[in-house]
Amino acid sequence: GQQLNQSPQSMFIQEGEDVSMNCTSSSIFNTWLWYKQDPGEGPVLLIALYKAGELTSNGRLTAQFGITRKDSFLNISASIPSDVGIYFCAGQRRTALIFGKGTTLSVSS
Amino acid sequence: SAVISQKPSRDICQRGTSLTIQCQVDSQVTMMFWYRQQPGQSLTLIATANQGSEATYESGFVIDKFPISRPNLTFSTLTVSNMSPEDSSIYLCSGQVNEQFFGPGTRLTVL
Repeated sequence: GQQLNQSPQSMFIQEGEDVSMNCTSSSIFNTWLWYKQDPGEGPVLLIALYKAGELTSNGRLTAQFGITRKDSFLNISASIPSDVGIYFCAGQRRTALIFGKGTTLSVSS
Repeated sequence: SAVISQKPSRDICQRGTSLTIQCQVDSQVTMMFWYRQQPGQSLTLIATANQGSEATYESGFVIDKFPISRPNLTFSTLTVSNMSPEDSSIYLCSGQVNEQFFGPGTRLTVL
């Protein structure tokens, strides 16, 4: 099935650094979502984006819905150790969610 | 958002057997879904669980292998039938009111 291109695949950063990850698709989506998955848990919704060009923040997280509706990025500012995990983008068209392959974030203190 | 629980949280099964996974939401949701997450991979939608009618399956997934029930707006089951080691995965239930939110998953290992 269709997948989103999510990059980078993994990141190793120092505590306090900013992080950026993005997703692109060849198809248009009506909604973009970003999830975080901790080991042994299900994905937890971080940010949902509903309109092209929308820029939304949730604490240290900022995400944008691309103008073309085919891409989105997620920024994390001033990373902390608990930011460690796998971040997934997901595009939604009608009801189905299509997930990116994930970005594994490691933060060293 | 509502809270989703799944049972069992994990299981180890013999090939050829079947396992039924339960998903309970603490409030009514419009849509419920089942996903599979193979080891180290992303999530893939198996099917949409429709209340009181047959589930809608995605390409590559069939009812005989993954029968699904949804008797009401807060409960659904997924059965993994005639299991093989390739079915070893995390199976995740999700519910949707506005956005989709997920249960903790069921970690299945098939020997």
